[in-house]
Amino acid sequence: GDSVTQMEGPVTLSEEAFLTINCTYTATGYPSLFWYVQYPGEGLQLLLKATKADDKGSNKGFEATYRKETTSFHLEKGSVQVSDSAVYFCALSGNDYKLSFGAGTTVTVRA
Amino acid sequence: DAGITQSPRHKVTETGTPVTLRCHQTENHRYMYWYRQDPGHGLRLIHYSYGVKDTDKGEVSDGYSVSRSKTEDFLLTLESATSSQTSVYFCAIRTGGNAGELFFGEGSRLTVL
Repeated sequence: GDSVTQMEGPVTLSEEAFLTINCTYTATGYPSLFWYVQYPGEGLQLLLKATKADDKGSNKGFEATYRKETTSFHLEKGSVQVSDSAVYFCALSGNDYKLSFGAGTTVTVRA
Repeated sequence: DAGITQSPRHKVTETGTPVTLRCHQTENHRYMYWYRQDPGHGLRLIHYSYGVKDTDKGEVSDGYSVSRSKTEDFLLTLESATSSQTSVYFCAIRTGGNAGELFFGEGSRLTVL
């Protein structure tokens, strides 16, 4: 079945550092791919998405490109802030109307 | 924006007691979901619904049942709670975006002693 593997955390960075979180997937067909973010004590929010190969999703300075050849959707941000401290989840949606999630990566940004 | 209300937001109960969590949406979205979140596992799907009285199992459905008698409400029931069901439970709706994204509620934290 469909599955998502993302890099394990936790990840600790200094402010203005470059962030990358790796995500790879296994799926049949052409899934849509997502990054969700969960701030402390809150639910999950959609951060960005991509629906087809070579699409780039972007939001709040974060970017991820749908790479079908490497089955990847890595999340990047060029200069993180303390407010980016959160748990990040990679997810995919196949043809069955369900989302499959990775285990989540906890990111802490120090001032 | 889609609105989801989960209740209760926090609950502490004892092993063997029944527990029902409620998810209420303010719009008429067809698909609703219950996930649980546990450290190291991300979110795992418990059950989902694709219409009134239409439900199906997810990957971790054992020990859980659901009901959907109205479009706006999706109930998750633990018939006899166990300590392994201590978790944070999230309800979600499929809002119709072109990618199939879900919109999540704020979560219900359940502790089973």
